Amino acid sequence: DVKVTQSSRYLVKRTGEKVFLECVQDMDHENMFWYRQDPGLGLRLIYFSYDVKMKEKGDIPEGYSVSREKKERFSLILESASTNQTSMYLCASSFLGRVSTEAFFGQGTRLTVV
Amino acid sequence: DAKTTQPNSMESNEEEPVHLPCNHSTISGTDYIHWYRQLPSQGPEYVIHGLTSNVNNRMASLAIAEDRKSSTLILHRATLRDAAVYYCILRLATGSARQLTFGSGTQLTVLP
Repeated sequence: DVKVTQSSRYLVKRTGEKVFLECVQDMDHENMFWYRQDPGLGLRLIYFSYDVKMKEKGDIPEGYSVSREKKERFSLILESASTNQTSMYLCASSFLGRVSTEAFFGQGTRLTVV
Repeated sequence: DAKTTQPNSMESNEEEPVHLPCNHSTISGTDYIHWYRQLPSQGPEYVIHGLTSNVNNRMASLAIAEDRKSSTLILHRATLRDAAVYYCILRLATGSARQLTFGSGTQLTVLP
């Protein structure tokens, strides 16, 4: 059974904290993605990566950074968490260059910044 | 990047067919049309995709217009478990091929 696993389902952090959201996939996918989802705004792409140590900005990268040191793991970093980063965060993965194939999503991490 | 347009919401009665429309008038010749759905409290899941011809799988059917400027996801017999947000997206075959960009989707309500 294919899997994209996000390290936490729920997370509460304080304003100004550095926050790490971890995502691991076991399908040997090259592509990995981070999204946030907010009511009325749908899924918005934050960052994606197509190879180890490679990253590209999505539509809303401000306030976030990412790290991809191993192929199976893609981390989203909030350098200094703010209340407007309270959201549902979703990780996904897919094969590179195969636009006809599906992407797989994790269950999501609901982050609350207080 | 080519965009998609979907109705915000639709309703269907249980065990009746549902036709979910999507417009993508600026689609490029090699863009694939993908559909995903998101059940409550879950991440999105793949439903179906196509390029030019109509497609069927165990979950749904995808009807693609001849000019490819629109498509329709067909659920043949809606069940209560089909209540979800349905996203129509284009997988770009050139340029930003690695991106997977979602719109706001259609919220499907299935009435018992």
